Amino acid sequence: GESVGLHLPTLSVQEGDNSIINCAYSNSASDYFIWYKQESGKGPQFIIDIRSNMDKRQGQRVTVLLNKTVKHLSLQIAATQPGDSAVYFCAEKSLSNTDKLIFGTGTRLQVFP
Amino acid sequence: KAGVTQTPRYLIKTRGQQVTLSCSPISGHRSVSWYQQTPGQGLQFLFEYFSETQRNKGNFPGRFSGRQFSNSRSEMNVSTLELGDSALYLCASSLALAGGNKASYEQYFGPGTRLTVT
Repeated sequence: GESVGLHLPTLSVQEGDNSIINCAYSNSASDYFIWYKQESGKGPQFIIDIRSNMDKRQGQRVTVLLNKTVKHLSLQIAATQPGDSAVYFCAEKSLSNTDKLIFGTGTRLQVFP
Repeated sequence: KAGVTQTPRYLIKTRGQQVTLSCSPISGHRSVSWYQQTPGQGLQFLFEYFSETQRNKGNFPGRFSGRQFSNSRSEMNVSTLELGDSALYLCASSLALAGGNKASYEQYFGPGTRLTVT
C-alpha cells in the first residue's frame, strides 16, 4: 500500500526493546485522547485512549501517559515486536457533542531484528 | 460484528469530474465522520453526521459535501475534482450515546477509499 506520510519522524527500535512515541497536542480544552496505529494500506486502528482526568492508563503491552500541564501525550510499547511496525497517530477531541478528532502528524515506528 | 466498510476501495477520476464515496458504519453506530489523509497535510477532519444531520464541519471548500441516511450509512461527494483532492478518504463511526459512557465515543475507522485525480 501507499505510504501514509513521506516525511514523518521515524523511530527505529530493536525487537524486544521498549518504544516511546511522543505527541504534543494542540487544544487545552481537549479532554479525550486516543492513540491509533496505521499500517500501510489500512485505516487507523484504535490502540488505547485516556480521558483528561487521568494521567496514565495501561493496556496490553501499551501505556499512555498524559501531561496536561505541557499538553504532552506519550505511548509506550513494551517488548516491541515486528508487527508493531506502523505509523502511530495521537488524536484529541472534546467530549462535547462532536466526534471531531484532531490528529497529530504521526510517527513511523520501524522494528528491526 | 462487521467493521466499518467503505466503497469503493480505489477510484481514479479526471479533473472536473465529481465522485461519491460510501461508508457503512458498524451496526448500531449512529455517528459517522469523514477524514482526508494526504502525505502533506496528514489526517484532516471533513465533516461529521449524526441522526442524518451534519453536526460539525472542517475547513474544506463547499465542493466537499456529505449526507447520512436513516440507517446511518453515509456518503460524501466531491464535485469539480482537482488534482489536490487525490487522497485517502477515511470514515469512522461511533455509538455517540449521551451520558459519557466510554464505549459511546470510541471511534473505529474503515479501510478508506483511495482517490486518484488525474
